[in-house]
Amino acid sequence: DAGITQSPRHKVTETGTPVTLRCHQTENHRYMYWYRQDPGHGLRLIHYSYGVKDTDKGEVSDGYSVSRSKTEDFLLTLESATSSQTSVYFCAISDSSGQETQYFGPGTRLLVL
Amino acid sequence: EDQVTQSPEALRLQEGESSSLNCSYTVSGLRGLFWYRQDPGKGPEFLFTLYSAGEEKEKERLKATLTKKESFLHITAPKPEDSATYLCAVQAGSGGYQKVTFGIGTKLQVIP
Repeated sequence: DAGITQSPRHKVTETGTPVTLRCHQTENHRYMYWYRQDPGHGLRLIHYSYGVKDTDKGEVSDGYSVSRSKTEDFLLTLESATSSQTSVYFCAISDSSGQETQYFGPGTRLLVL
Repeated sequence: EDQVTQSPEALRLQEGESSSLNCSYTVSGLRGLFWYRQDPGKGPEFLFTLYSAGEEKEKERLKATLTKKESFLHITAPKPEDSATYLCAVQAGSGGYQKVTFGIGTKLQVIP
């Protein structure tokens, strides 16, 4: 298994509160990604990072921010959680962005009440 | 816009009953096609990457093939432990970040 951990694995929070999810990798891969997975949708990219302090938006980035201060850690923050952000969040890593397989973490299940 | 369509949405097989899952795609500049397996409550697990039409890859009871418009995941003599959701994804584009588009998946159930 690729060395990817996510924390927390489960979280329940209330609307309007900030939430931070953490992804940690031990593979020294350059690229890291945050996806969300919802019923009836394929995995959708929220944000990705191509290096320390280098990040860019994905297709569903509204309401989310990210930070990467170290190669191994990629944080996803919901500044003010909404019920529409209830989802399962997956972190993925790859060594490059072209023709390179993405490997996924175990996921974080987030419920916003 | 890149599109990935997987069919069927769900498939129920008897143990030993071989079948195929389909992934049809519409992208500009395919760079790679990926198959993943996802068990309930877990992250997608990588199975195969295919890069060009005509390519085939095998792993145990699974065989993935690729044409210019679709990919098939053939499952030969499946066992109950093959029950999972199988995801297809395509990577396309050029330059820096090359977008990966995922299908919704095919949920496979293998009955003993």
